[in-house]
Amino acid sequence: EVQLVESGGGLVQPGGSLRLSCAASGFTFNDHYMDWVRQAPGKGLEWVARSRNKANSYSTEYAASVRGRFTISRDDSENSLYLQMNSLKSEDTAVYYCIRAGSGDRYFANWGQGTLVTVSS
Amino acid sequence: DIQLTQSPSFLSASVEDRVTITCRASQGIGSYLAWYQQKPGKAPKLLIYAASTLQSGVPSGFSGSGSGTEFTLTISSLQPEDFATYYCQQFYSYPVTFGGGTKVEIK
Repeated sequence: EVQLVESGGGLVQPGGSLRLSCAASGFTFNDHYMDWVRQAPGKGLEWVARSRNKANSYSTEYAASVRGRFTISRDDSENSLYLQMNSLKSEDTAVYYCIRAGSGDRYFANWGQGTLVTVSS
Repeated sequence: DIQLTQSPSFLSASVEDRVTITCRASQGIGSYLAWYQQKPGKAPKLLIYAASTLQSGVPSGFSGSGSGTEFTLTISSLQPEDFATYYCQQFYSYPVTFGGGTKVEIK
């Protein structure tokens, strides 16, 4: 069974930093593309970032709203995905979901339960 | 960026009703469209990918159709557990984008 467990969320002041982690199990982590998607309170879904697999050089993609501030990374030896978030803004307040992409990498097959990040003074 | 417009944004229906939700893309996206269901306080769940392929374990009462710029999600007979918010998502090009959601509530 695929499991994705996020951690690292919490309250942070504007301009601060936070690192989210996602522990993956139940599948061959290093074969898969992985993503982060977020959802602001009461709002819709917003894709944040993608990490491709080793076969694709661990290349990354970012939404314009986070490019230059957020960094997605992974440790295949630990079956873990990360999101380093710097220069946080109030509009980054959201539940952040860790996601395993589906075959062909064109959809989001499995989602974690999410971790809440609140940016506020 | 490719914009996805869902309609309606809110839908009130009864158990056993047939329900159709539409998702329109601002440009052609082939069949690179997925549908998700989200219940309050829970993570979204994949229902359909590649516009019409049912994800394993999803009841056969859900179906998807369309290509290019117009897509539909149909629930053939609404069940109590189907009351939720539904999102479409395109993966034709970056950035990945979602529709604004359709909330299906009990009439």
